[in-house]
This record gives sequence, C-alpha cells and structure tokens, in this order.
Amino acid sequence: DAGVIQSPRHEVTEMGQEVTLRCKPISGHNSLFWYRQTMMRGLELLIYFNNNVPIDDSGMPEDRFSAKMPNASFSTLKIQPSEPRDSAVYFCASSLRGYNEKLFFGSGTQLSVL
Amino acid sequence: DQQVKQNSPSLSVQEGRISILNCDYTNSMFDYFLWYKKYPAEGPTFLISISSIKDKNEDGRFTVFLNKSAKHLSLHIVPSQPGDSAVYFCAASEDAGKSTFGDGTTLTVKP
Repeated sequence: DAGVIQSPRHEVTEMGQEVTLRCKPISGHNSLFWYRQTMMRGLELLIYFNNNVPIDDSGMPEDRFSAKMPNASFSTLKIQPSEPRDSAVYFCASSLRGYNEKLFFGSGTQLSVL
Repeated sequence: DQQVKQNSPSLSVQEGRISILNCDYTNSMFDYFLWYKKYPAEGPTFLISISSIKDKNEDGRFTVFLNKSAKHLSLHIVPSQPGDSAVYFCAASEDAGKSTFGDGTTLTVKP
C-alpha cells in the first residue's frame, strides 16, 4: 500500500488567496483526520471524519477553514482567504476505525502564506 | 488547557544507553495511549501503544509503562541507537475517537 498520500508537499501563497490541500487515505480505512502542526500549538486536530461524515470539527479554527470528504478515497482541506498565521505543516492521517488505534500519517503539506 | 504534556523538549543520550521519554496527562477518560516517532520532513509514524487495562507493553527495544494513578506514561528505548534520533510524540485517546498529542520530545542519540 502506498500509505496516506498528501498533495502538494509544499505550498507558497499570498495572503487572501484560496488554498486547497488534498489527501488520499489508505484504502479500507474508515476514518480520516486533518492535523496542523505549529511551533506554538504543536500537533492539533482540526477535523475528524468517520465513513466520510464529519464527526468532530471543533478544532477548525474559524470559518475560513472548511473540509470535505466526498468519498472514501479523497478529502480536501480548504482555507479561504488564507492569512500568514495559517502557515504551518498540515497532516492528513487515516485509521481503520478511528478510535483507540494507531493513525497512519501522510508526509504533510508545508504551507507558507506570505 | 493542555491535556497531554511532554515536559522535556529535548533529551540527549549516548548510544547503547537507555532513553526514557516521559508524558503526563490530565484527562482521566483517556483509555488508550500511543507513542509516535517523527523524522524531519515526514509525518509521524506509530511506534507502540498501551491500553489503560495494562501497565506495560513491550516491543523489541521499546517498552511503554503506564501509571494510571499518577496519570503518567513513559517510553523506554534500550539500547538507544543513532537511528532513534527523532521527535517522539505521546498521544492519548478516549472512546470519542480523537487522539490528543503532546508537544513532542526531541531525542538525540550520540554515537
């Protein structure tokens, strides 16, 4: 299996632009997570899907952030409009069931908003 | 309020010696604990886990100890190898599903 695949690996954009991050989870995994890593806040959960349905989006920082999972093999995290404070590494992870088990992480997207 | 804390940002040990990484938590509802290892420019990878019904789990050179009364867990690496140099994250989860991560400890194993 190729593992969790994220794209792009790096994204540099200007403040105010729309940014879309993409994730393909491991085939057969029913749960998908979006995490953000920053120096100040560490690894924080943004949103969690189970069977393509958002279960917990309490970590989404504000309305500028939105996430979708139209099918079991694809998810997007969108930031519109982007701001410099959104600069971070965004990780997607998947797991078989979602609870009390290990997560498989992608390599992350390094986002820089200028 | 940070529910999972790794109070040591960094740890340096000599190759062949034991590395002990510590983690404290505050939420008594956590019932599953995991350790992840992260190399630069990569995502975290699962290392070892322990359920709250156990106090020890071992996998090769890696052992995790859980002290529920103290709300403390630790990861022991014996013997430490230079390839173990990485950032180690402690994570905890409850039935609700989501894992909460600590800030990580950077381990450096010197040859």
